This record gives sequence, C-alpha cells and structure tokens, in this order.
Amino acid sequence: SAVISQKPSRDICQRGTSLTIQCQVDSQVTMMFWYRQQPGQSLTLIATANQGSEATYESGFVIDKFPISRPNLTFSTLTVSNMSPEDSSIYLCSVDRAGGDEQYFGPGTRLTVT
Amino acid sequence: GNSVTQMEGPVTLSEEAFLTINCTYTATGYPSLFWYVQYPGEGLQLLLKATKADDKGSNKGFEATYRKETTSFHLEKGSVQVSDSAVYFCALLYSGGGADGLTFGKGTHLIIQP
Repeated sequence: SAVISQKPSRDICQRGTSLTIQCQVDSQVTMMFWYRQQPGQSLTLIATANQGSEATYESGFVIDKFPISRPNLTFSTLTVSNMSPEDSSIYLCSVDRAGGDEQYFGPGTRLTVT
Repeated sequence: GNSVTQMEGPVTLSEEAFLTINCTYTATGYPSLFWYVQYPGEGLQLLLKATKADDKGSNKGFEATYRKETTSFHLEKGSVQVSDSAVYFCALLYSGGGADGLTFGKGTHLIIQP
C-alpha cells in the first residue's frame, strides 16, 4: 500500500477565489489521480497526472478550471480555480504502483464554497 | 463508455444476517473489478479485487466473484457485524494501453443494527 497525505483537510472558501490542494505520497509512484466526490455522490475522475508531462483530463473537466502540477514522483497539486458553490465537494488524490492495478486513496480535502 | 451500476441504499440488516450488494458493469474488453469501502469518518479503502473472469476476491469475510457472462461482481458476506456499517463502492479499471482511473458506482450505504 501507500501512505498518502493531503493538505488542507478541509477549507471554506468564497466564490471567485482559488484553492490549491496538495497530495504527498511516502514513496515514488508512477501515476497520481485526482477525483471529486460531490455530496452524496460517487467518485468521479478529474484527471491523471504523470510526472514530467501534462495531466490528462476527463470529459467535463478542463485545465483552466483544475490546473494540476506533478513536479516529482511523490507530490502533486490540484487547484480549483474561480470557485462556485457547485465546486463544493471532497477532492481525493490516489496513486497506483507501476505495473499494478490497485489504487490507494488519500484522506480527501473537504471543500465548501460559499 | 465504461459504467458501474450498484444497488441503491441504504441497506439495513440485523447483525449476523447474510449480505449481498449487487454490482454490474459495462466495459469494453476485460476490466479489473474492485470493491472499496468508506467507513464513517475515514478515507476510501480497497476491500477486495478480481482481475479476470471467475476470479474470487476475498477479505475480512467479504467475497466477490468476477462473472463475465453476467458482467457482475456482487459483494457477499455470510454474517455481518455492526462494524461493517459503511458505504461500499464497486469500481472497475480498464487499462486500454495507458494509465486509467477507476470508474465507480454510486455507492451503497450499509447499516447493520445490533
């Protein structure tokens, strides 16, 4: 498995502002993923982040709204830009192991936009 | 595209009852299948997985068998405990040559009463 931490664990933000969420892993990993879990809903993949290349976004998510950085093999950030109340969700990062199909999740960042 | 359908909750059972949570999927090719669990106040944890047809994943008394003919991966436990109360997510991973995120079902909230 992997030990994954996220910062902040929760935040309350005003609409129109941006928040950057950090994800730190205790070992080097190939792929990192960002998901969103809206209230009472399932998890939806936002994007996949590979170190040294542009993130790959799923349909319905765009880089201008959710820019992602992946500067090294243990760290990634997701920014939620120009927030609106509809962005209120739990944002989770996950990782897999090279050659593996299991994903391990961080504890999540609970974002409330007012 | 890929999708996962699981039974809606909440599902309420008495302790020591038999549990089945249904999960069916739609995918091109042969995905890997997973059950994740989210205990109250905790992060998402991998419960079990199966990577090919007829495989049985098992953990903590839970089992699920990959049924290709019925595209199903139902979760079962012979005797549930109060501590099994959680939200259970069925998910699939289809690696079409690149790195892919998980596709999740909507989750089933399980409540076990003493």
